[in-house]
Amino acid sequence: AQSVTQLGSHVSVSEGALVLLRCNYSSSVPPYLFWYVQYPNQGLQLLLKYTSAATLVKGINGFEAEFKKSETSFHLTKPSAHMSDAAEYFCAVSDSPGGDYKLSFGAGTTVTVRA
Amino acid sequence: DTGVSQDPRHKITKRGQNVTFRCDPISEHNRLYWYRQTLGQGPEFLTYFQNEAQLEKSRLLSDRFSAERPKGSFSTLEIQRTEQGDSAMYLCASTAGAGVTDTQYFGPGTRLTVL
Repeated sequence: AQSVTQLGSHVSVSEGALVLLRCNYSSSVPPYLFWYVQYPNQGLQLLLKYTSAATLVKGINGFEAEFKKSETSFHLTKPSAHMSDAAEYFCAVSDSPGGDYKLSFGAGTTVTVRA
Repeated sequence: DTGVSQDPRHKITKRGQNVTFRCDPISEHNRLYWYRQTLGQGPEFLTYFQNEAQLEKSRLLSDRFSAERPKGSFSTLEIQRTEQGDSAMYLCASTAGAGVTDTQYFGPGTRLTVL
């Protein structure tokens, strides 16, 4: 089965600083990768997804991620953090041996933004 | 498009009681997924439906769990004889199509606490 590992359960950044969230995947086949964000007491919202087209994927709210096959990574970045970016972020891979396309999630990274 | 809704948002029950959760997907979405999220972890796949057919169940879904989607619209997840280990957030997601790149839209979740 495919899986993802998120490095760092908590990240603290200053407002205006770079946000970098790390995700590595393990897969024997080309993966489909996703980043979701979860705000307190809300469901998960898709930020962006990699579907084997461009390796640099742009998402909502100024986030982007780069797929690097050689490093088996799909790190999420945002050049300038905003207070509203404080949330929990999940990397996920689509695990679909039978076409079910269920998502396998990492443990998540909580982002706090300091004023 | 009102999004995926779940009811109730919170449920507190005593060990041994039965509970039932409801998920209303986005209108005309034919796939519906259930996930469970425990504290500090990412969501884990439980089961999914293609229209009214339940096509896969995770090993996490013990015999005490049952899910239905009787008319291919809303879905229910029932837990019988609840245990403290069942305490978690139960998330529902739906997709319009059956492709790997189809976005899964998540509801706000039902938080279950078993005393």
